[in-house]
Amino acid sequence: QKEVEQNSGPLSVPEGAIASLNCTYSDRGSQSFFWYRQYSGKSPELIMFIYSNGDKEDGRFTAQLNKASQYVSLLIRDSQPSDSATYLCAVNINDRGSTLGRLYFGRGTQLTVWP
Amino acid sequence: DTEVTQTPKHLVMGMTNKKSLKCEQHMGHRAMYWYKQKAKKPPELMFVYSYEKLSINESVPSRFSPECPNSSLLNLHLHALQPEDSALYLCASSQDALQGYEQYFGPGTRLTVT
Repeated sequence: QKEVEQNSGPLSVPEGAIASLNCTYSDRGSQSFFWYRQYSGKSPELIMFIYSNGDKEDGRFTAQLNKASQYVSLLIRDSQPSDSATYLCAVNINDRGSTLGRLYFGRGTQLTVWP
Repeated sequence: DTEVTQTPKHLVMGMTNKKSLKCEQHMGHRAMYWYKQKAKKPPELMFVYSYEKLSINESVPSRFSPECPNSSLLNLHLHALQPEDSALYLCASSQDALQGYEQYFGPGTRLTVT
C-alpha cells in the first residue's frame, strides 16, 4: 500500500509568520517528492520538488527531505495572504514494478494566512 | 515555459451527449496524463501516455476514451456519462513518464453532467 499522509488542517498563521507543512510516505523506494499549491477552483501548480536528503530553498519556500524518516516538509517564510491555498504533497513512485512513475498525492493541507 | 493548455474551460453535457476534452503542450514533453479531481480531494490518475502510447489505464470506465494524436496533443472523449462523473478534469505533462520527472498541470476543464 503506497500512502502519502499530510498533517491535518486547516492551518492558520498570521501574515509574516512561518507556515510549516508536513508529509510522510510509506514507500521506501520513493525517489522524488513534489509540493503543489492549489487555489480554490484552480488547478495544482508545482512550487517545489526535491530529490535528495536535506534542504532546498527557492525564494520564501524551503523543502526538506529526510528519506530515513520518510518525511518531507515545506516551509513558507514571511507568509502572505496570497499564500492561502491548499498544499498537496506528492510522491513519485514506480508503478507496479515497471520503470514508469506515478504520483501519489496526500489529501492536502489547507493554509490560511490572515492579515 | 511550463504551459499546458486545456479546452474547454467549462462543459455542461447531458448523459446522452458525446463531447471531447482537449489538452496541448509545446514543451517537448513525451508523457501526458489525465486526472480527475472531485471537490476537496486530491487528483486521481486516469490515464498515462508515454511516447504517444497508452501506458497506464487506471481501470477507468469505457465511457471515457483517451486519444493521443501526436506528442503535443491529448484528447479525452466522453460518452454516456453519469452525474457522478462531474468533476475537474486535469491534463498534465512531464518530460518523461519515468519516475522522477515533475508533472505540470493544465488549468483543467470543469465538467458538469446533467
